Amino acid sequence: NAGVTQTPKFQVLKTGQSMTLQCAQDMNHEYMSWYRQDPGMGLRLIHYSVGAGITDQGEVPNGYNVSRSTTEDFPLRLLSAAPSQTSVYFCASSQMGGYPEAFFGQGTRLTVV
Amino acid sequence: LAKTTQPISMDSYEGQEVNITCSHNNIATNDYITWYQQFPSQGPRFIIQGYKTKVTNEVASLFIPADRKSSTLSLPRVSLSDTAVYYCLVAFNAGNNRKLIWGLGTSLAVNP
Repeated sequence: NAGVTQTPKFQVLKTGQSMTLQCAQDMNHEYMSWYRQDPGMGLRLIHYSVGAGITDQGEVPNGYNVSRSTTEDFPLRLLSAAPSQTSVYFCASSQMGGYPEAFFGQGTRLTVV
Repeated sequence: LAKTTQPISMDSYEGQEVNITCSHNNIATNDYITWYQQFPSQGPRFIIQGYKTKVTNEVASLFIPADRKSSTLSLPRVSLSDTAVYYCLVAFNAGNNRKLIWGLGTSLAVNP
């Protein structure tokens, strides 16, 4: 049982480059979300989705796009990377919005230089 | 203002009971309080979730007073492997929406 799979685990980008962080889950969860984690700031919600074809903004959505074409996949796109987007990114899924529990991926450590 | 507050760090010794409290004024009436554990270079992992009074599972207990303005995660007889960061997660009503707010985490160090 793979759970939530994120790729890549590490990435270095130059300012202005674009990339997509991949997230896939095999638990048939409707709710998926992306967080960023920065020292001293905890986990902050970027975007979330309550089902295929439905996405919404979280607390810090600027600079990021998402789409949800299937239940399993929820990619996060950085259109033009900035140093402020250097962070660790986590994807999570759950049956509902955090209930009964959310399952997290292993994270992607992104550095923008 | 929706906010959760938990201690930044705690120290303990193997075999002791550890209690971590999270304060969360004005949380959503019908929402759960959830606690997660995170090890370095890993995603958070669900520990326990509760709505009121006391919940116990195989790894922890969660105490929630009647006013639900705080919650206490209790780890019985901690071991070195319990060294991790512990987060509380609560929901707040934000207009017509529900907003999930994470605490900033409590770094627990268990010493031999």
